[in-house]
Amino acid sequence: AQSVTQPDIHITVSEGASLELRCNYSYGATPYLFWYVQSPGQGLQLLLKYFSGDTLVQGIKGFEAEFKRSQSSFNLRKPSVHWSDAAEYFCAVSNAGNNRKLIWGLGTSLAVNP
Amino acid sequence: KAGVTQTPRYLIKTRGQQVTLSCSPISGHRSVSWYQQTPGQGLQFLFEYFSETQRNKGNFPGRFSGRQFSNSRSEMNVSTLELGDSALYLCASSLGQGSNQPQHFGDGTRLSIL
Repeated sequence: AQSVTQPDIHITVSEGASLELRCNYSYGATPYLFWYVQSPGQGLQLLLKYFSGDTLVQGIKGFEAEFKRSQSSFNLRKPSVHWSDAAEYFCAVSNAGNNRKLIWGLGTSLAVNP
Repeated sequence: KAGVTQTPRYLIKTRGQQVTLSCSPISGHRSVSWYQQTPGQGLQFLFEYFSETQRNKGNFPGRFSGRQFSNSRSEMNVSTLELGDSALYLCASSLGQGSNQPQHFGDGTRLSIL
């Protein structure tokens, strides 16, 4: 069955520290991969996406993610975290084509210590 | 330009009632998708509309229905409300239907069932 796993439910980092949020997926075909961020009381904002090509993708707010097919992973990274990055982060996978049906991970809650 | 607008932001209903939620997509966007977000189940896809036609559907009972109007605005209806329907309902719009079309989310409607 298709699924997305975010192993870390909650992560706390200090401001200025580096960050890596893990995402593993199970998908039969070549997936489209996404990372979204959700601030309290708000909807989701797309951070970055991977469709094909270069496996290291750059997103907004200084985030990047690397697609590793052999490990079925799409981990999100940021070299230096800011207090405003505290939020919920979601990884999602979709099939290519018009029959879009996003499958979501349960999210990782990020807290940032000053 | 204006983002995705969902109304109302908050709604309280009792079991057995029905409810209609509204979503106005970004101008020019023709695809509207609906998601249910709960702490236990995370984000789950409800359905997607494109050009006034339901193109894709998740695994929800028939009590959940939707429609899209000629101006791309969409409504979602839930009948015979149950306690388990308490959730944040998110709407997302995109230019087209394809999986490579990034989705832009509204801030959601928080539905509470008493």
